[in-house]
Amino acid sequence: EPEVTQTPSHQVTQMGQEVILRCVPISNHLYFYWYRQILGQKVEFLVSFYNNEISEKSEIFDDQFSVERPDGSNFTLKIRSTKLEDSAMYFCASTIQLNTEAFFGQGTRLTVV
Amino acid sequence: AQSVTQPDIHITVSEGASLELRCNYSYGATPYLFWYVQSPGQGLQLLLKYFSGDTLVQGIKGFEAEFKRSQSSFNLRKPSVHWSDAAEYFCAVGTTSGTYKYIFGTGTRLKVLA
Repeated sequence: EPEVTQTPSHQVTQMGQEVILRCVPISNHLYFYWYRQILGQKVEFLVSFYNNEISEKSEIFDDQFSVERPDGSNFTLKIRSTKLEDSAMYFCASTIQLNTEAFFGQGTRLTVV
Repeated sequence: AQSVTQPDIHITVSEGASLELRCNYSYGATPYLFWYVQSPGQGLQLLLKYFSGDTLVQGIKGFEAEFKRSQSSFNLRKPSVHWSDAAEYFCAVGTTSGTYKYIFGTGTRLKVLA
């Protein structure tokens, strides 16, 4: 069964460092998303991406965040200068088209120290 | 404002007992509704979904959910819980106006007693 793959599963970084979280969406999917879940809180939308452009971003997705689809398979989330409050589980998701179920990856747990 | 409410943060049931997890949503248009399950250290697995049609939907692992428009609810049920069902359960709304995205509830953590 096709799945969304995220790497690494866990990343520890020092405050102020740049991190790149990687995702390989399902191959025939066209819409890509990042969500995050701070420990003990709900899953929150960060950004959606289609046709090499951001479709929508939330208030959380400030100038420190960026997304990219550098090739035909990867979808990355970059945090330029991490803060303690960026510590969370980050989920990548993809959908084949709009208004369908999203398939989520296993998540990357980011710990900023 | 669009929101999803899961009023029960924690629920404990005995193995073999029935289960109902509550979900209420606030959304102006017709929503798409989902239930996901997250086991410890795992990602989000889709249990079931509602787009339209029959308001009682069947999912994986013996779960079902009923959409009640008049109550803005989409409660998840299982007639007999297994110990392996212990996990966190998230209700989500897929927005159908504007950019498509999910709005999640805060989750309900299910504990199953042997």
